[in-house]
Amino acid sequence: GAGVSQSPSNKVTEKGKDVELRCDPISGHTALYWYRQSLGQGLEFLIYFQGNSAPDKSGLPSDRFSAERTGGSVSTLTIQRTQQEDSAVYLCASSLSSAREWEDTQYFGPGTRLTVL
Amino acid sequence: SQQGEEDPQALSIQEGENATMNCSYKTSINNLQWYRQNSGRGLVHLILIRSNEREKHSGRLRVTLDTSKKSSSLLITASRAADTASYFCATDEKYGNKLVFGAGTILRVKS
Repeated sequence: GAGVSQSPSNKVTEKGKDVELRCDPISGHTALYWYRQSLGQGLEFLIYFQGNSAPDKSGLPSDRFSAERTGGSVSTLTIQRTQQEDSAVYLCASSLSSAREWEDTQYFGPGTRLTVL
Repeated sequence: SQQGEEDPQALSIQEGENATMNCSYKTSINNLQWYRQNSGRGLVHLILIRSNEREKHSGRLRVTLDTSKKSSSLLITASRAADTASYFCATDEKYGNKLVFGAGTILRVKS
């Protein structure tokens, strides 16, 4: 079946503009994650959705960042008033379940490379 | 803050040699996972080891876990040029909701 897809694959924007990044998780996966990866760095957790529960937003770096997940499937990450330090690859992942006693593998999308000029 | 810290940061070996990467972490975990990333894009899950396991094998991969030292190692045997990638460990924290990734090891296998 199809894996996690993300769009756009690349986005170049001007400082101060808003951007929206989209993630389509694997069908049936209840958990969805957003990460940010700056050049040559590891992954930085941003936000996590699990079913209908309130999202874990503990990783969002500022109030310019927000995300929503409509109908328990597609998710959109929005960055308002972009800054140059927002330039990074934004990765989305989904998993079947994040119940603590389960072994949970995350399946990653190809990412969106955001460049803020 | 980062949980897993890999070392070395970069590793360059000849095809056919073994590659060993290490990961250390700080808090109690449910499991530890290793991922591979090619060309700075999506990550691919390689192997998961539970906190009550000490060693696990998958093809040419061997993972060990020492919870007393809060460390893990990933061994790739008989490396190939196609193994060239970045490798990340990620810990599934016992009291958290998310995987916490380290900064990764860049492996280059020369043919």
